[in-house]
Amino acid sequence: AQKITQTQPGMFVQEKEAVTLDCTYDTSDQSYGLFWYKQPSSGEMIFLIYQGSYDEQNATEGRYSLNFQKARKSANLVISASQLGDSAMYFCAMREGDGGTSYGKLTFGQGTILTVHP
Amino acid sequence: DGGITQSPKYLFRKEGQNVTLSCEQNLNHDAMYWYRQDPGQGLRLIYYSQIVNDFQKGDIAEGYSVSREKKESFPLTVTSAQKNPTAFYLCASSIFLWGNYGYTFGSGTRLTVV
Repeated sequence: AQKITQTQPGMFVQEKEAVTLDCTYDTSDQSYGLFWYKQPSSGEMIFLIYQGSYDEQNATEGRYSLNFQKARKSANLVISASQLGDSAMYFCAMREGDGGTSYGKLTFGQGTILTVHP
Repeated sequence: DGGITQSPKYLFRKEGQNVTLSCEQNLNHDAMYWYRQDPGQGLRLIYYSQIVNDFQKGDIAEGYSVSREKKESFPLTVTSAQKNPTAFYLCASSIFLWGNYGYTFGSGTRLTVV
């Protein structure tokens, strides 16, 4: 069963507007971590934001925020005030388990290609 | 500067050949990972290693092999048994921390079968 689902293969947004990229996940662990990465055409993976399963507040990092709805198992990325440089592939990823016994491999979704129009 | 170095950036392989992708890190991270990415797809885990001289199969290990003789190095060999090796390969490392494990990725190797 797919553990990370990104249902939007592609998204378009106008420059300076906000956009939400969807991510749902499936796990039976109580402790897990959720990540968002940006991958430009060069292929590098750029870390954007992290949300721990026990974090009560939604994570924010500059223009990025993570809308964490634990009961719905969703972890959507919100990018405010989109810029042309935001055009890239975006991946949601999950690390299952915690508690000091695992270094934690990441499981990735299929990705969403975001295109920002001027 | 600390980081992960993957080499080569581009690699061409003939049918039936084994090739080895290099991954070196100077971050003193204990764990290292290899991922495969096909065009327009997410990353899939090939192998990972949490300590020297130990490694585990990921979701798509068939046709690949790894070694972890040094903490800094985690080379990946794509064997002739891998029927469709053309892909983008990413190496990553992490240090154990509570919460955000601080994963670092290399810049990747694009492998093409010719």
